Amino acid sequence: EDQVTQSPEALRLQEGESSSLNCSYTVSGLRGLFWYRQDPGKGPEFLFTLYSAGEEKEKERLKATLTKKESFLHITAPKPEDSATYLCAVGVAGGTSYGKLTFGQGTILTVHP
Amino acid sequence: DGGITQSPKYLFRKEGQNVTLSCEQNLNHDAMYWYRQDPGQGLRLIYYSQIVNDFQKGDIAEGYSVSREKKESFPLTVTSAQKNPTAFYLCASSVFDNNEQFFGPGTRLTVL
Repeated sequence: EDQVTQSPEALRLQEGESSSLNCSYTVSGLRGLFWYRQDPGKGPEFLFTLYSAGEEKEKERLKATLTKKESFLHITAPKPEDSATYLCAVGVAGGTSYGKLTFGQGTILTVHP
Repeated sequence: DGGITQSPKYLFRKEGQNVTLSCEQNLNHDAMYWYRQDPGQGLRLIYYSQIVNDFQKGDIAEGYSVSREKKESFPLTVTSAQKNPTAFYLCASSVFDNNEQFFGPGTRLTVL
């Protein structure tokens, strides 16, 4: 069974305090790992797609990396506006699972000024 | 502007009633999806459709039904058979051969 586990469940940082969020996955065949940001009461906002181990993507203060078993979302010098829930999802290759994403439960990030 | 719209934003239902949630996209995406989100949990897939007039059950399809008569529209009906329907419902779409899904703003359903 495909599984995605995110840690920690919640993370509190001071403004400027860099840290990382983890996404561990077990899938039969990876067809992309996806990071989303979700603000309270809103739909998830797409951030990154990673397809192969060693790949990295950056956007402002965020950097996503991928290995064969996990992905990290590094947050450098965060600001209060980075506070949100960050969701990780994996796409599975082949068969009737084509197009489906399996999501982790999310990490709630709070950045204090 | 291209995007995904969901309506209504808030919906209240009495027990025993069926309700239909609307999802429309003008991104020209082939595939559309419905998810349910409960507090402290990840998104769970209800139904998905990769092409017009075809759809597949997701992980938690019991008590829900969908139709896909037009490429732009993928309405979800929450039936009275759904035992615990109070949740935040999210619609998404993607290009057929790409897993990158883009989400609408969501509908919060409350059963009174």
